[in-house]
Amino acid sequence: DSGVTQTPKHLITATGQRVTLRCSPRSGDLSVYWYQQSLDQGLQFLIQYYNGEERAKGNILERFSAQQFPDLHSELNLSSLELGDSALYFCASSRAGDTDTQYFGPGTRLTVL
Amino acid sequence: QKEVEQDPGPLSVPEGAIVSLNCTYSNSAFQYFMWYRQYSRKGPELLMYTYSSGNKEDGRFTAQVDKSSKYISLFIRDSQPSDSATYLCAMPPSAGGTSYGKLTFGQGTILTVHP
Repeated sequence: DSGVTQTPKHLITATGQRVTLRCSPRSGDLSVYWYQQSLDQGLQFLIQYYNGEERAKGNILERFSAQQFPDLHSELNLSSLELGDSALYFCASSRAGDTDTQYFGPGTRLTVL
Repeated sequence: QKEVEQDPGPLSVPEGAIVSLNCTYSNSAFQYFMWYRQYSRKGPELLMYTYSSGNKEDGRFTAQVDKSSKYISLFIRDSQPSDSATYLCAMPPSAGGTSYGKLTFGQGTILTVHP
């Protein structure tokens, strides 16, 4: 158990809908990262937050947004969902000053029908 | 061309075999190299981390880096059925704490060790 929690574990929704994925980092970790894992693209970095502020951005679609709250939990919002958004979404966290050692949560499996 | 290339396999070996997993990369700015292990329906977990050329050993696992060839390997000795998982290589964009955590992952190699 990495100490990173993600909810929900599974999410099934329809095209055009909006969903919110939630992540709680390990105790004391200030950085939160979001990744998308699909069969064709592999594990792709989406976005990083550090202590409430956006720190780095990857290949995140404009339909996707994230935020980190004062209690350090983070939410990833996916809107206008398309079939191609079906994937595993992972959250990871790391200590301040050690962004390379990331601890991953169990993931949320999103299925868009 | 992807920045990190990894043969997805699948790779199937008998218990006790030596397993070799490999990645190549094109970005010479990569200085740190990691191997993650991902069991089915779980998140990736950091297995090994190295930042220099040469070998690093941890139990049955050895990570090897050849920066001149832009080639990294993970060897598993005396492989066990519990080693069955997907192994992903990963690299941060630059050395040190300024990497901002944007790990670039290989596609992952699916390994099955059968008894």
